[in-house]
Amino acid sequence: SQQGEEDPQALSIQEGENATMNCSYKTSINNLQWYRQNSGRGLVHLILIRSNEREKHSGRLRVTLDTSKKSSSLLITASRAADTASYFCATDFNTDKLIFGTGTRLQVFP
Amino acid sequence: DAGVIQSPRHEVTEMGQEVTLRCKPISGHDYLFWYRQTMMRGLELLIYFNNNVPIDDSGMPEDRFSAKMPNASFSTLKIQPSEPRDSAVYFCASRGLAGGPHNEQFFGPGTRLTVL
Repeated sequence: SQQGEEDPQALSIQEGENATMNCSYKTSINNLQWYRQNSGRGLVHLILIRSNEREKHSGRLRVTLDTSKKSSSLLITASRAADTASYFCATDFNTDKLIFGTGTRLQVFP
Repeated sequence: DAGVIQSPRHEVTEMGQEVTLRCKPISGHDYLFWYRQTMMRGLELLIYFNNNVPIDDSGMPEDRFSAKMPNASFSTLKIQPSEPRDSAVYFCASRGLAGGPHNEQFFGPGTRLTVL
């Protein structure tokens, strides 16, 4: 399967703590994206990092990419209860298709 | 813009019945994707269109599944006959022009299908 693997599968933290989730993928990529899915909703795009970038920031989000290890991490700083959701990485390579990872379920307790 | 619109939001049907799911992409987007999400298999791409033309249907599980895009503002995913294992949440997503600064996909709210 081309599907990426995410780690951990589930993560529970307290508000104010940082949350880190990791994504590993199998093939070369052009871009890697992170999406959030709230319960019962569709996915929402968070951030895109290109294969020639190593780190990217957007608000409280920080994404890193290590193409040599075929891995990426998403860090959410100063988490809030509203960050409770599932987070997915998605990759593409010379194609219009995105290959989604298995997701990390994040629970942030107030 | 209202975003990607899907209907119905919930569908409960009996095995053997025909099911039709509908999607209206964001105006101006020229890519449309159909996904299926289950606990066991995660998020799977079923088929995608570019300028109303099916480009890759390799994810369509069986001949019981078919998808059409008669125009730029409407697509359907049909299952005939439906089976209990088709129970899942089906998402439609659309995307703007390739080569732009972003190729993010915009997802609809999904249709939760239950086949009894």
